[in-house]
Amino acid sequence: NAGVTQTPKFQVLKTGQSMTLQCAQDMNHEYMSWYRQDPGMGLRLIHYSVGAGITDQGEVPNGYNVSRSTTEDFPLRLLSAAPSQTSVYFCASSYSFLNTGELFFGEGSRLTVL
Amino acid sequence: AQSVTQLDSQVPVFEEAPVELRCNYSSSVSVYLFWYVQYPNQGLQLLLKYLSGSTLVKGINGFEAEFNKSQTSFHLRKPSVHISDTAEYFCAVSSRGTGNTGKLIFGQGTTLQVKP
Repeated sequence: NAGVTQTPKFQVLKTGQSMTLQCAQDMNHEYMSWYRQDPGMGLRLIHYSVGAGITDQGEVPNGYNVSRSTTEDFPLRLLSAAPSQTSVYFCASSYSFLNTGELFFGEGSRLTVL
Repeated sequence: AQSVTQLDSQVPVFEEAPVELRCNYSSSVSVYLFWYVQYPNQGLQLLLKYLSGSTLVKGINGFEAEFNKSQTSFHLRKPSVHISDTAEYFCAVSSRGTGNTGKLIFGQGTTLQVKP
């Protein structure tokens, strides 16, 4: 049981490049989400999904796309990276978020955009 | 809309002293409340949660928190801290039950620095 797995752990991009942050969970969780963490700002919700085929925007969705074709995977896409997207990204999932609000987090992906 | 305010960005404390990390929230609906801890270069892990019932909740590593609805607060406490408690602590809120928006909203974080 690996929990929530994020890849890559570190990535450096140039402005305008695209990339995908991968997130997979093996706990059969319906709810998955992406957060970014920046100093002094806590964690801010980018996008979330309450089940396969369903996604919605969080607090800071601009510049990011998501899809949820399977229960296990929830990739985050940056179509044209900008320096403002330099951050640490966390994927989180939950079996019963709508009832309890509790999340399980991955270890994070540190992205630097030059 | 919901929001969370952690009143202290950094809290320095000596080992074996008590500590309180303060959290206030704002919400127009009933809420669930959480404290998460993040050790250096790691993801977040749940410390404790308030869902319903007793307003005093106990979590891992000797931490506890008290839900105060009238003051819209959920302060975290530990009677005696250890060096290993040095970490960043996040307060978070989500709306309850059928009013759940699908969002867990975090505060800005409080860095607890335990000194020997």
